Amino acid sequence: DTAVSQTPKYLVTQMGNDKSIKCEQNLGHDTMYWYKQDSKKFLKIMFSYNNKELIINETVPNRFSPKSPDKAHLNLHINSLELGDSAVYFCASSQGAGLEAFFGQGTRLTVV
Amino acid sequence: AQSVTQPDIHITVSEGASLELRCNYSYGATPYLFWYVQSPGQGLQLLLKYFSGDTLVQGIKGFEAEFKRSQSSFNLRKPSVHWSDAAEYFCAVGAPLSNAGNMLTFGGGTRLMVKP
Repeated sequence: DTAVSQTPKYLVTQMGNDKSIKCEQNLGHDTMYWYKQDSKKFLKIMFSYNNKELIINETVPNRFSPKSPDKAHLNLHINSLELGDSAVYFCASSQGAGLEAFFGQGTRLTVV
Repeated sequence: AQSVTQPDIHITVSEGASLELRCNYSYGATPYLFWYVQSPGQGLQLLLKYFSGDTLVQGIKGFEAEFKRSQSSFNLRKPSVHWSDAAEYFCAVGAPLSNAGNMLTFGGGTRLMVKP
């Protein structure tokens, strides 16, 4: 009964391709996020959505486009993939200001 | 802007020994502070959090952390480490986003290795 689930867990693709990562949370939270963890384990927020509305876009290239069809889902679409996009992408959700975020298992994206 | 520093990139302790992982933060207001643990190939699991009140907070798996405003620190401790504690540990400070959640800024992480 996973709280925040992401698919796929692993994604290997060629440069220039377009790919999507899906995220769903069953916690009833209003806010969802995408975080990126690079090869040195550094974690940085990319996007935050509240009730399907974009709250944060942390200087992420336009090739990254989040989509929130409803407040339980936040998908990440990436166009024209580049080698530097290789990372682990984490989806998370939270409820209310100041409260902890619950993270998914991550999607390891490898661009070759 | 907020920031978090975890001075120790790697720490090795013997099983049964005590542990302290350091975390220093920079934030203009009263911080929301968190410790997360990441096991290999896994997501991040919340160990404990500090919002207000008692500066010594208890978490899961026998961990605790102490908030010291004067030192801008939120160090994580455990009295006796188990081999299963080997993982990457992340300290984070949270900045509330109006009424819409919380932007976490993470430290660089500390990798804990446990010797038998």
